[in-house]
Amino acid sequence: ETGVTQSPTHLIKTRGQQVTLRCSSQSGHNTVSWYQQALGQGPQFIFQYYREEENGRGNFPPRFSGLQFPNYSSELNVNALELDDSALYLCASSLTGPDTQYFGPGTRLTVL
Amino acid sequence: AQTVTQSQPEMSVQEAETVTLSCTYDTSENNYYLFWYKQPPSRQMILVIRQEAYKQQNATENRFSVNFQKAAKSFSLKISDSQLGDTAMYFCAFMKRNQGGKLIFGQGTELSVKP
Repeated sequence: ETGVTQSPTHLIKTRGQQVTLRCSSQSGHNTVSWYQQALGQGPQFIFQYYREEENGRGNFPPRFSGLQFPNYSSELNVNALELDDSALYLCASSLTGPDTQYFGPGTRLTVL
Repeated sequence: AQTVTQSQPEMSVQEAETVTLSCTYDTSENNYYLFWYKQPPSRQMILVIRQEAYKQQNATENRFSVNFQKAAKSFSLKISDSQLGDTAMYFCAFMKRNQGGKLIFGQGTELSVKP
């Protein structure tokens, strides 16, 4: 059984650029959730995808968008990057929405 | 809105001893889950233990157990026989049962296990 994987591990961008982060869910899981974790803080929920549809969203602006593919992998896209977007981005997969979430290793994004 | 509070930013414990991490939460919901996750320096968030609110029995997983007090909205984690590998940030998290999976995290407790 393969766990949750994320790519890339680290990423450096400049303000105003766009970024795409990727996540492969654990085998058999059809739900993917994305979280932003600022340094020294707990993770904050961005949104969740269930069977390719957005299934809940946190307090993040529309420049944070996502996709889920038929194989249940997912992308997080952030447009017009701001310095405050610098954070660890965590992806988690679960068998269904309201179920235990298993996390990937995260992508560290630095915006200069 | 639900909130999760961890009042201990840092704790330390000697190897082989027992430590308890505190968590309180605020909700008007009756059906929900509570979790403890561990985040070592490697950054990966690892599930430690899960509790369903409708279950009165406290969850246990080997050396990890919880004290779930629903009326007091308290959910503490006890780690017995602490090991060096338990050194990590520990996050308490809440999820409404019918919301579709949004986890609400506390601010975390940094636990150091000393030899």
